[in-house]
Formats: sequence, structure tokens, C-alpha cells
Amino acid sequence: KAGVTQTPRYLIKTRGQQVTLSCSPISGHRSVSWYQQTPGQGLQFLFEYFSETQRNKGNFPGRFSGRQFSNSRSEMNVSTLELGDSALYLCASSIDWASGNTIYFGEGSWLTVV
Amino acid sequence: AQTVTQSQPEMSVQEAETVTLSCTYDTSENNYYLFWYKQPPSRQMILVIRQEAYKQQNATENRFSVNFQKAAKSFSLKISDSQLGDTAMYFCARRNNAGNMLTFGGGTRLMVKP
Repeated sequence: KAGVTQTPRYLIKTRGQQVTLSCSPISGHRSVSWYQQTPGQGLQFLFEYFSETQRNKGNFPGRFSGRQFSNSRSEMNVSTLELGDSALYLCASSIDWASGNTIYFGEGSWLTVV
Repeated sequence: AQTVTQSQPEMSVQEAETVTLSCTYDTSENNYYLFWYKQPPSRQMILVIRQEAYKQQNATENRFSVNFQKAAKSFSLKISDSQLGDTAMYFCARRNNAGNMLTFGGGTRLMVKP
């Protein structure tokens, strides 16, 4: 059974550009959440999607957005990139929205903004 | 804000010895879930152990066990017979009783020395 798959693994963007990151959850998982990891702020929750609906949202500006497709795959988008958006972006999946289920993480997408 | 605190930024232990990582948290809920995740240099988050707050018994997974003190809001991780492969960042996380949003502590960098 494949794990959580994130693409691309590494990317470099220029300030002001936008970026789209993709996440394929474990087969059968319907909940997908995103986290940003930086040395200064640590691990911070971005948002969670379940059945194509955003269920929870962290404290990030509107430049950060996401969506989930009918096959549970998810994308997150960051527009008007800033240097501070350089981070490891982690995707996680779980079977459903029930809080008792284990959350599994992907290997992350490394974003560098120059 | 409901926080998770790991007071030990770095720790080291000799191979085969035992080490305990500390975690305290804040929550206003009565039912929630606590986790320890390991993040090796590959940066993939790996679940080590989980604890459901309504369960009195401390969780155990092979060499890993927790000391859960609900009244004190404390959740420490004990690693017995430490192995070189245990070298990693360890994150304590809390999930409340709705959705899959994790709140992480700042992490403890554990070095196992031969």
C-alpha cells in the first residue's frame, strides 16, 4: 500500500511567483491536511480537507489556499511568494474526520523562495 | 492559544540506555489525543506512539512508552534500550476531539551516541 505522496519534492521559486503543491493520500483516506515547517516557527497547521470541503483552517494569510478533488487528492497554492514562505510543506492523510484515526505524513515538498 | 511545549531542545543518550523526553500541553477539552512523532533526517514524520486522553493506561509500543498525567497535562516519552536509529527530532502533538488538526511542540533533537 503506497504512502502519502507529495510532488514536487523540491522546487525553487522567485519572489512574487505562485506555486502549487500536490498531495496524494493513502488509498481510502479521505482527510488531507497540510502543515508548514520552518526553523523559526516550527510546525504549523495550514488547513484540512475532507470530502472536498475545508474543515479546519490555520492562521495563515489568504495567499495560502487549497482544494481537494473527488479522488481525495489535494493541492495547495501559495500566491505572491515571499522569502518567508521558504519551508518544508508536509501533507498528511487520515481515513476520515473522526479524531481517533492515525494521521500519516508524506515526505514533504521543499520550497525555496529566492 | 492552546499550546504544546517541549522544554528540552536537545538531548543525548548513550546507546542501550534509557532517555525520557518531556511534553506539556494546554487544552480546554476533556477528550483529546496525544502523539509522539519522530522526524529523522529524511524529514518524514513517523508516528511513534499515541495516547487517548480518556484511557488511564499508559500506551506502550515495544521500546517506547509514555507517562501520561492528565491532571498535570503532561505526556512524556520514554525510550528504552536506545538505538543509533533513534537519532532524530521528536515532536509531541495534540489533536482535539474534532478533525485532524495537530498542534505540535517545538521538538526535541535526540542524539544517540555509540
